[in-house]
Amino acid sequence: EVQLVQSGAEVKKPGESLKISCKESGYSFSNYWIGWVRQMPGKGLEWMGIIYLSDSDTRYRPSFQGQVTISADKSIRTAYLQWSSLKASDTAMYFCARTRAAAGYDAFDIWGQGTMVAVSS
Amino acid sequence: EVLLTQSPGTLSLSPGERAILSCRASQSLSSSYLAWYQQRPGQPPRLLIYGASSRATGIPDRFSGSGSGTDFTLTISRLEPEDFAVYYCQQYGYSVEFGQGTKVEI
Repeated sequence: EVQLVQSGAEVKKPGESLKISCKESGYSFSNYWIGWVRQMPGKGLEWMGIIYLSDSDTRYRPSFQGQVTISADKSIRTAYLQWSSLKASDTAMYFCARTRAAAGYDAFDIWGQGTMVAVSS
Repeated sequence: EVLLTQSPGTLSLSPGERAILSCRASQSLSSSYLAWYQQRPGQPPRLLIYGASSRATGIPDRFSGSGSGTDFTLTISRLEPEDFAVYYCQQYGYSVEFGQGTKVEI
């Protein structure tokens, strides 16, 4: 079964760093893009960016460029979303998801279960 | 930037009724790069429709998508109790954007 398993919930203070993960199993990780989607409490879905594991080509939504880093380790079939200095406004559920085909901009057919990040002093 | 506007914001219906959800793009989407997702409380989104009208794997045929250009529709022919949820459209023709969602409530 194809699945994406995300790391567990995090509680952090403003200014701290954080790296959350998304590990895949059951398919050829290299041939797809993995995207990250933010969902703030009670709000809708917001596309953050995507990474192509095969060559680490990465694309960001302009509002997230410089605010987060998307990376991947092909050897352990894992994608990451990282912050160097968290803000309270980063409090949200973060989903990773796989593109349906090997196109960067595409629908997402497989989703992780989500990682809740809470940032509070 | 291609923005998506979904309507209505909330749809109040009963089981067995038909639901019609709308998604309008701020500019024409080439090759109908439009998808629909369902999100139940506490769960990740689930892909229902891609390419405006193609059902994703395992999606019941009561879900159908239509439209082209700037106007798209998701139709649920007969609502089942598990269909009461929030639905999002997504365009992937120009980067990626989601609509703000339509809640289908009992």
